[in-house]
Order: sequence, then structure tokens, then C-alpha cells
Amino acid sequence: NAGVTQTPKFQVLKTGQSMTLQCAQDMNHEYMSWYRQDPGMGLRLIHYSVGAGITDQGEVPNGYNVSRSTTEDFPLRLLSAAPSQTSVYFCASRIGRAVAEAFFGQGTRLTVV
Amino acid sequence: AQSVTQLGSHVSVSEGALVLLRCNYSSSVPPYLFWYVQYPNQGLQLLLKYTSAATLVKGINGFEAEFKKSETSFHLTKPSAHMSDAAEYFCAVSAGGSYIPTFGRGTSLIVHP
Repeated sequence: NAGVTQTPKFQVLKTGQSMTLQCAQDMNHEYMSWYRQDPGMGLRLIHYSVGAGITDQGEVPNGYNVSRSTTEDFPLRLLSAAPSQTSVYFCASRIGRAVAEAFFGQGTRLTVV
Repeated sequence: AQSVTQLGSHVSVSEGALVLLRCNYSSSVPPYLFWYVQYPNQGLQLLLKYTSAATLVKGINGFEAEFKKSETSFHLTKPSAHMSDAAEYFCAVSAGGSYIPTFGRGTSLIVHP
């Protein structure tokens, strides 16, 4: 019963490098989303998807890219890392009903130097 | 449109004292409301949710919340705080037609011996 799995748990990048944060869920959830968590800012939505092949921007999408080729996977790409992207990133999934709870991964702590 | 306001970024209580974490929401349609808890270095997990079945909702670990439509509030309470309750707490709102829930900025609960 894996739920939502995020990899890696920790990552250090140099400014300008690119990388992909992986997110996979095994609950057949339609909706998936990426958040970043910064001190005093709570959770801010980066991108979300309501199904395979469908993605949309959230509150803070700049510098990030996503795709959803399968129901299970929703990777987040940092195109050219910047120190402002130092944060903790969470992936979440849920079924496509407003009453449904979201299930979160354990997070990826990213530091950009 | 929907939004959530959590009053107080930090709440400090003594062990055994009442815990009260405040959440006010705004929604143009009847909302579903959630409280999530985040322990250090972990993802968020559901504490309880309001689905319109009952205004007083009981959750895990002795927490409960009461939905008050007239006050647009969904405050979280626990009669007696325990050291293990120290965590970040997030209120969230989801309403029909919205794809992704909206989260508050979070309240950090500090429990003193």
C-alpha cells in the first residue's frame, strides 16, 4: 500500500541545472498536484492535473514544467534551477470529487546553491 | 471562488491545556472543509473533514472541529494538548466545481511541558 511516492527525498542543485522530481501514486486517482512549502507561506500550488494528458498552472508555475502521460505518474521538471526554488516540494493526489481528501507524498527537500 | 484564512501562524499551549486553532473560509457554494496535520519532516495527513453530514466532526487523536455556517468558521479543538500534538496544522476548503482544494497558510502548534 504505497500511496503517493516521491523521489528523491533530498537534492542539492547548482544554479542553472535542471532536474525532475518524480511522483507516482498507485490509487488510480484522477487528480494530482504539486505544491511547494516555504516558511510562512503555507502550501502554494505549482501545477495540477485532472487526468492523463491534462495539466494546468497553479499559483506559482514559473520555472516549472509538468506532464501527465499516465494516470500514475506526474513528474515536475525544474528547467534551470534558481536559488528562489529552494523549498520543500509535495506531490498530492485524490479522486475527482470535491469531498475527497488529498493524499500527500513525503516531500522532496531541494536546495539550489 | 474559495479561500481559507488561518488566524495565527503560531499557537503555544501548555501540555494538558485546551487547543484551539482557528479557520475561516470563503466559498460561493456549500464547501467541504478539511484539517490536515504535518509532523516534522513528513507529508500532510488528514485529521478530519466536514462533508455536511454533521456539523461537529470528530477526527483522529482526539481532535474535533465544528462547522458554523453563520460564522463561516471551522475551528479545530482538542480538550487536552499532548506533547505529541506539536505539528503544523492546515485548514483546506474544497467546493463543487473546483479541481484542487485551497489550503490556508498553516498554524504551528507548540506544546510546552
